[in-house]
Amino acid sequence: AQTVTQSQPEMSVQEAETVTLSCTYDTSESDYYLFWYKQPPSRQMILVIRQEAYKQQNATENRFSVNFQKAAKSFSLKISDSQLGDAAMYFCAYMGGYGGSQGNLIFGKGTKLSVKP
Amino acid sequence: SQTIHQWPATLVQPVGSPLSLECTVEGTSNPNLYWYRQAAGRGLQLLFYSVGIGQISSEVPQNLSASRPQDRQFILSSKKLLLSDSGFYLCAWSGDNEKLFFGSGTQLSVL
Repeated sequence: AQTVTQSQPEMSVQEAETVTLSCTYDTSESDYYLFWYKQPPSRQMILVIRQEAYKQQNATENRFSVNFQKAAKSFSLKISDSQLGDAAMYFCAYMGGYGGSQGNLIFGKGTKLSVKP
Repeated sequence: SQTIHQWPATLVQPVGSPLSLECTVEGTSNPNLYWYRQAAGRGLQLLFYSVGIGQISSEVPQNLSASRPQDRQFILSSKKLLLSDSGFYLCAWSGDNEKLFFGSGTQLSVL
């Protein structure tokens, strides 16, 4: 079974600085997708970034980028120029490829990010 | 643009009472629809998903059921709530890619 591990329960960053959140996963599938979701105090899950396993190029979305290391099964999220609004729980998630999990996102336990002014 | 509506935001119900949570999606057709539950301090667990009207798949055995009476409507139900049904419930949809978009959630407290 696939698993997702986030080893940092809490992280803190100074406003305008850069922070990296770690995520590792375990799977025997070759085709899959990886995601980072943000959950602010409102508790709505917001998609931050998505990575297809077959793509070697790391995904980027404005200030958010990932470091995808397929062989190491590592998928870290880098937040540049951190803003107060970035404070939230961040969840790493895995989804199997076509014909697999049918939308079954497997989540890590999350990392709580605090941003200091 | 697509939007997803989920209600109510909070719900307090006595043990043994019925449950109905509703989710609707606007701005798209034939979406995949999902119900997730989040335990306190944890990530989400998939409960049900649907790829079309009347088509429901369950991921975990439980006291809950789901129905999809219309293309963009997804309902989570229970005939008799248990204490263990308490949690934060999120509805989500996806289109022809793997991105899931979530509603604002329902905090259910069973007392």
